[in-house]
Amino acid sequence: GAGVSQSPRYKVAKRGQDVALRCDPISGHVSLFWYQQALGQGPEFLTYFQNEAQLDKSGLPSDRFFAERPEGSVSTLKIQRTQQEDSAVYLCASSPGTSGGVGRTDTQYFGPGTRLTVL
Amino acid sequence: KQEVTQIPAALSVPEGENLVLNCSFTDSAIYNLQWFRQDPGKGLTSLLLIQSSQREQTSGRLNASLDKSSGRSTLYIAASQPGDSATYLCAVKKAAGNKLTFGGGTRVLVKP
Repeated sequence: GAGVSQSPRYKVAKRGQDVALRCDPISGHVSLFWYQQALGQGPEFLTYFQNEAQLDKSGLPSDRFFAERPEGSVSTLKIQRTQQEDSAVYLCASSPGTSGGVGRTDTQYFGPGTRLTVL
Repeated sequence: KQEVTQIPAALSVPEGENLVLNCSFTDSAIYNLQWFRQDPGKGLTSLLLIQSSQREQTSGRLNASLDKSSGRSTLYIAASQPGDSATYLCAVKKAAGNKLTFGGGTRVLVKP
């Protein structure tokens, strides 16, 4: 079946512009995560949804970052007034289960990411 | 705060050698640990997931061990091949939450 998809794959923005990054999770997956991966580093958690509810947004670096998942499926990560330090790969992952799931329901499946470059 | 460290940061071996990748974490109260592979410009592919109650998991040439009390996991890749060249990431999940905390990764190059 289809995996997690993200669009666009690449985005170049001028400093100060707003951007919107889209994630289409695997159909039926309850949980959705956003991570930010700087060059040469491991991904860092941004935010987590269970269906349409945003249960954890502790990793969002500033109030310029906003995420939503209004119908419990597709999610959008929006960055307002982009800065050069926002340049990174933004990864989306989905998981079948919810918090406390076991076994395979706990595995996160990642999309290919969106590479954002802010000039 | 959980911190995950991977050593070495980079590794180069000739084809056929066994690979040993190390991962350490500071908080032993984990729910599970997962090893991922990342190819340049690509997303993450899950390789092995070890629940906190397990000691190891195996898949083909891959074997991952977990010593929760000492905060360590090791990924072994037997008889390495050039196609194994990639970055390998380990990540832990805290018992009460869902987010993954990643290490910085080990970049592996297997030379033909």
